[in-house]
Amino acid sequence: DTGVSQDPRHKITKRGQNVTFRCDPISEHNRLYWYRQTLGQGPEFLTYFQNEAQLEKSRLLSDRFSAERPKGSFSTLEIQRTEQGDSAMYLCASSLTVERNNEQFFGPGTRLTVL
Amino acid sequence: KQEVTQIPAALSVPEGENLVLNCSFTDSAIYNLQWFRQDPGKGLTSLLLIQSSQREQTSGRLNASLDKSSGRSTLYIAASQPGDSATYLCAVLTSGTYKYIFGTGTRLKVLA
Repeated sequence: DTGVSQDPRHKITKRGQNVTFRCDPISEHNRLYWYRQTLGQGPEFLTYFQNEAQLEKSRLLSDRFSAERPKGSFSTLEIQRTEQGDSAMYLCASSLTVERNNEQFFGPGTRLTVL
Repeated sequence: KQEVTQIPAALSVPEGENLVLNCSFTDSAIYNLQWFRQDPGKGLTSLLLIQSSQREQTSGRLNASLDKSSGRSTLYIAASQPGDSATYLCAVLTSGTYKYIFGTGTRLKVLA
């Protein structure tokens, strides 16, 4: 499968615990995005990488959230001291700058439930 | 600030009907507009991408149109089938940005 992959697909955690999600973009895609989707809403932008550089962060990304993309390949999103309000689907997408006007391809998402 | 609205929020139709989903956006300076399908608990599947210079795109039974001046796009689904039941999301990429702004989606149910 050459699409965007995310791991884990589901995560249940207790309030106050730390969680980390991984995203593997389509090979050679230089841009990578994280979005968050709560029930009944459309996805909302969290952050964006071009290669290994994090170029934009939403105000939704509080100090408890951190994202990395070492070596410009896979990316991780960590949430520290989780809260019930963090429960959502976390979606990763990737794109290649010069193709099809930056069409973004989405992964299957990681569904987080904070108890 | 770009805002995207989708109407209706939910739609239930009998199998075989042709239907139209609507998407409106407030800032017409867009780079592209993309329609996605989302099944319950799943990720997003891209259906159609319309570049800002295009008026429409077609794929099988799907046709998407774009009118930038009025800030509107429509997704036309011909001869609907129960397998089309899903949430359809519209997303806009505003010029000068890299992030999609999504609508809240239209939940479609096609009855057999």
